[in-house]
Amino acid sequence: AQSVTQLDSHVSVSEGTPVLLRCNYSSSYSPSLFWYVQHPNKGLQLLLKYTSAATLVKGINGFEAEFKKSETSFHLTKPSAHMSDAAEYFCVVSGRGTGRRALTFGSGTRLQVQP
Amino acid sequence: KAGVTQTPRYLIKTRGQQVTLSCSPISGHRSVSWYQQTPGQGLQFLFEYFSETQRNKGNFPGRFSGRQFSNSRSEMNVSTLELGDSALYLCASSLGAGAKEELFFGEGSRLTVL
Repeated sequence: AQSVTQLDSHVSVSEGTPVLLRCNYSSSYSPSLFWYVQHPNKGLQLLLKYTSAATLVKGINGFEAEFKKSETSFHLTKPSAHMSDAAEYFCVVSGRGTGRRALTFGSGTRLQVQP
Repeated sequence: KAGVTQTPRYLIKTRGQQVTLSCSPISGHRSVSWYQQTPGQGLQFLFEYFSETQRNKGNFPGRFSGRQFSNSRSEMNVSTLELGDSALYLCASSLGAGAKEELFFGEGSRLTVL
């Protein structure tokens, strides 16, 4: 069994300040973890993924995330927010249960960026 | 390389009708999965197809069904529509069905049931 919890439903930051979006997970297997972003009326786009290689993962648009097994966390960060970062972000855990891929999506975090 | 294409993008139906949504995956991708997105329930997995076989199914009633064709294109069908079926239906494709593989999403089909 697996689950994912995004700890904040809404996060508001000022342009140019750091972004932190929090994600905790649980999994019976060695999971793969992903962050996706969804802009209004669009599909989801991959930001980055962890698949048991380096624990610090760099993604597109300056985002990165650190896999911390001891804390079962995979928080998403960016040093300096841009207006175009305003969107909804989803943390996803992927494992193989009963031999089949099993994806579990977090409930999403809506990021607002104030000018 | 063309992305995942979903048609139609928007549609309005009335209760009791049925609807068919189409998804064309990225060329070469053999796995297609479907998701329902609503403000209240978030993103929920419907089903996944790989090489024309349903590999996994979410917790939805039998009114929701799907299929995949030999060219990997997929359709999903919802029969006897209910108001609660109003949602954004997202399709995603990937090369295979491995747990580490990235999903590529279409822009979705927004269904409104009146």
